Amino acid sequence: DAMVIQNPRYQVTQFGKPVTLSCSQTLNHNVMYWYQQKSSQAPKLLFHYYDKDFNNEADTPDNFQSRRPNTSFCFLDIRSPGLGDAAMYLCATSKRLYNEQFFGPGTRLTVL
Amino acid sequence: QQQVKQSPQSLIVQKGGIPIINCAYENTAFDYFPWYQQFPGKGPALLIAIRPDVSEKKEGRFTISFNKSAKQFSLHIMDSQPGDSATYFCAASINQGGKLIFGQGTELSVKP
Repeated sequence: DAMVIQNPRYQVTQFGKPVTLSCSQTLNHNVMYWYQQKSSQAPKLLFHYYDKDFNNEADTPDNFQSRRPNTSFCFLDIRSPGLGDAAMYLCATSKRLYNEQFFGPGTRLTVL
Repeated sequence: QQQVKQSPQSLIVQKGGIPIINCAYENTAFDYFPWYQQFPGKGPALLIAIRPDVSEKKEGRFTISFNKSAKQFSLHIMDSQPGDSATYFCAASINQGGKLIFGQGTELSVKP
């Protein structure tokens, strides 16, 4: 089945220790998004890639970076995680920009 | 103007009841209104979506009612089941080409 896959599902890191979250898709969609979702809140868009074009949301902290080496994979890098970065990180894809979005299962990040 | 206001924040119904979740918006340029269902520890999944040229859309036990003049839309779940217990998010975007603006979410619990 075509799908959005996120690894790992759970990630524990230490305050200030860089961490990378991974997303892959078999949908062959052009757009990949990263969202941050804190407990009992709506998902918050961090950035997206339309093919190789990167678009950062204005309020996304510099601490968050992303890479998309090919159509299928996208990575979220958190350079120096703080306690406030503990959240569920969701990857989503769509065929066209902001078209119907398909979400992955998420990675739960804990910062100690 | 870019907000989508969702209510109630939480809702408890008995099995077989009809929970209703409401959303309101201000930006008349919004013209795509999806609903997402999210189970604990999972990513959101698109449930049903509507455009403002129709007043109602039904898919299985899920119905969206849309009131363009009032700038409101709502989700009804017919014959609700314990398996429907989840968090529901409404959202809005422009031309399916704008960023998804999410409501705050409603945590639904369906008691057996």
